[in-house]
Amino acid sequence: DQQVKQNSPSLSVQEGRISILNCDYTNSMFDYFLWYKKYPAEGPTFLISISSIKDKNEDGRFTVFLNKSAKHLSLHIVPSQPGDSAVYFCAALLSLNNDMRFGAGTRLTVKP
Amino acid sequence: DAGVIQSPRHEVTEMGQEVTLRCKPISGHNSLFWYRQTMMRGLELLIYFNNNVPIDDSGMPEDRFSAKMPNASFSTLKIQPSEPRDSAVYFCASSYGTLRAVKKLFFGSGTQLSVL
Repeated sequence: DQQVKQNSPSLSVQEGRISILNCDYTNSMFDYFLWYKKYPAEGPTFLISISSIKDKNEDGRFTVFLNKSAKHLSLHIVPSQPGDSAVYFCAALLSLNNDMRFGAGTRLTVKP
Repeated sequence: DAGVIQSPRHEVTEMGQEVTLRCKPISGHNSLFWYRQTMMRGLELLIYFNNNVPIDDSGMPEDRFSAKMPNASFSTLKIQPSEPRDSAVYFCASSYGTLRAVKKLFFGSGTQLSVL
């Protein structure tokens, strides 16, 4: 039962353009959402997060948007850089029982 | 800080053999998580410990899987007997406090397991 879904396994964008990665979830009890970035042969590293009481959080080139009614969140990267090429995992946290669920990941390729 | 340390980085074994994966969490962290990454299901939570005590092992796929945390600086995930469908990347992650308070994990580099 996939409670967190990333329906696009891959995304390719041109350097300087916007990258938009999408994530959907099914459990309305999730109260915190995170994005992790993973390079080959490394573990995922935390990138940015958002609480369910907010609809937007920005950190430099990275912005996460949350639409609770649609159970959807997205990560925007502007401008995209070749170093952003990695696999991005969406995660949702149910704080009450310490349960963090991950999506299958989206491989982003930023072309020079 | 060395971060979360996992060993081995790669493990190739034959079906039926016992496999033991090891993890050293970040010093001072008191929550430890084992995840498995597959192409189809992404990162699946197998089990997590808080203060060395297993809290939720509902993600452990079968009785062939077991995990221990004998002390705050070491954990093992054992598969016995191993099967080809166990082939995946296994990640260990740690945090200080519960996710409810900390809200993010620190991951190791993973163990790539191949069961032939």
